[in-house]
Amino acid sequence: AQTVTQSQPEMSVQEAETVTLSCTYDTSESDYYLFWYKQPPSRQMILVIRQEAYKQQNATENRFSVNFQKAAKSFSLKISDSQLGDAAMYFCAYVQGAQKLVFGQGTRLTINP
Amino acid sequence: DTEVTQTPKHLVMGMTNKKSLKCEQHMGHRAMYWYKQKAKKPPELMFVYSYEKLSINESVPSRFSPECPNSSLLNLHLHALQPEDSALYLCASSQERKESYEQYFGPGTRLTVT
Repeated sequence: AQTVTQSQPEMSVQEAETVTLSCTYDTSESDYYLFWYKQPPSRQMILVIRQEAYKQQNATENRFSVNFQKAAKSFSLKISDSQLGDAAMYFCAYVQGAQKLVFGQGTRLTINP
Repeated sequence: DTEVTQTPKHLVMGMTNKKSLKCEQHMGHRAMYWYKQKAKKPPELMFVYSYEKLSINESVPSRFSPECPNSSLLNLHLHALQPEDSALYLCASSQERKESYEQYFGPGTRLTVT
């Protein structure tokens, strides 16, 4: 079975600094998708960024970028110029088929002003 | 428009009550999902509907009964719940195309069973 591991239950960063959240996953498949979701205290789960496994280029969305290492099965999220609004629980997720997202346990990110 | 809406936002019900949660999306997505989320935990998949047919039931107790009246609506009927069923219930939707597997989530319904 596929598993997703986030080894950092909590992280904190100073406002305007850069922070990297770690995620590793286990799969025997070669074609799959990886996501980072953000869930602020207001609770709505928001898609931050996606990565297709067949693409070597790392995905980027404004201040958010990933470091995708397929051989190492690693998918870290880098947040540049951290803002107070980035404070949230971040979940790494994997999907191979159309329907079943496998989530990591989450990393709670705190932004210090 | 990437909006999934859910009603109600909050629900308190007794163990003998019957209530329903509602979810709606107008993105043309053909897959819809129910998740249960406990505090500080990731969402747990409960049910998946694909083209209005139930495709995945993650061994959820029968006191939870899903329904998909049409491609835009998803209901979760609740009956004889237990206090441990208190949680945030999230609805999500996605395309069925390989290029668009990401799921879009609603804001959730906070359920308290007394």
